[in-house]
This record gives sequence, structure tokens and C-alpha cells, in this order.
Amino acid sequence: EAGVTQSPTHLIKTRGQQATLRCSPISGHTSVYWYQQALGLGLQFLLWYDEGEERNRGNFPPRFSGRQFPNYSSELNVNALELEDSALYLCASSLEVQEFSGNTIYFGEGSWLTVV
Amino acid sequence: AQTVTQSQPEMSVQEAETVTLSCTYDTSESDYYLFWYKQPPSRQMILVIRQEAYKQQNATENRFSVNFQKAAKSFSLKISDSQLGDAAMYFCSYMEYGNKLVFGAGTILRVKS
Repeated sequence: EAGVTQSPTHLIKTRGQQATLRCSPISGHTSVYWYQQALGLGLQFLLWYDEGEERNRGNFPPRFSGRQFPNYSSELNVNALELEDSALYLCASSLEVQEFSGNTIYFGEGSWLTVV
Repeated sequence: AQTVTQSQPEMSVQEAETVTLSCTYDTSESDYYLFWYKQPPSRQMILVIRQEAYKQQNATENRFSVNFQKAAKSFSLKISDSQLGDAAMYFCSYMEYGNKLVFGAGTILRVKS
């Protein structure tokens, strides 16, 4: 069974441009999460989507946005890129969430975004 | 906001020996979930073990076990019979409402042959 898949593996963008990262969850999972792992800042929660809707958002500016498609895949968009946006972006997925179920979250291998 | 503290930036263990990684967390909730993830050089986060706070029994997964002390808000990971493949960064995490995982800073585990 395929795990969480992400594309592209690496992306280089210029400051001010937009970046789009894509994620396909594990088959049967409806929840998708995005995390940022930047040097010196550790792993930080970005977004959670479930059934096409944004359910929770971390402490990031509005230029970080995303969406979830009917097939449960997801996109993360980062507008007006800044140098400090350079990081590994990890996508993850889990089974349908019922309130607070503590369902295990499974991660992909990440997309490296470098802003120059 | 909940916080997770891993006080050991780096640990070393001899192959086949046992090592314990420490983790403490801060929360006012009574029901929550705790996880240990490992991140090898490939950078993929791999689930090691999961603990439900309402369960007093410590979780175990083969060579991996936890010592969950709810009152002390402590959640340490014990790795028995360490193997070279265990070398990785280990993250302790707490799941809060909203399905948000809060991670500690991580502990680099080195396994010596």
C-alpha cells in the first residue's frame, strides 16, 4: 500500500514568487496535514484539511494557504516567498477524525523548498 | 499553549545496548495523546509508538517501550537491543485538540558498532 506521497521533492524559487506543493494521502485517509520543518525552528504545524475543509491552522501568515480536493489530495501554496520560507514541508494524513480521536498521523518524505 | 521539552540534544548508544530518551510536556488537559516519531536521514517521519493518556499501561512496540508518568508529565522512550538502523532524530510529540501535533526539538540518537 502506498504511503503519503509528495511532489516535487525539491523546488527552488526566487523571493517574491509563489510555490505550490502537492500531496496525496494514504488510500482511505480523509485528513491531510501540512507541517514546516525549518532549520532552527523545528517542526511547526501549518494546516489541517478534512473532507475538503480547513479544520485548523497554525500560526502562519495568510500567504500560506492550501486546499483539499474531492479525491482528498491537497495543495499547499506559499505566496510572496521570503527567504525564511526555505524549509522541508511535510505532508501527513490520517483516517477520518471524529472530534478528538488521536488517530495516528502518517507522514510523507517531504518537499524541500529553497527560496533564493 | 502546550509545550514539549526534550532535554537531550544528542545521545549515543552501543549496538545491542539499551538507551532512554527523555521527554516532558506541559498541558492542563486530562485526555490527550502522545507519540514518538523517528526521522532518519531520508527525512520521512516514522511513527515509533503511540500512547493514550487515559491508559495507564505503558505502550510497547517490539524493542521500543515508553515510561509514561502522567502526574509528572513525562513520556520517555526506551530502545532495547539498539541496532544501527535505530540511528535517527527522535521527536516526542503531543496531540492537542484540533489534531495539531506539537513537537519537541528532537534528540539525535547515534548508534556505535
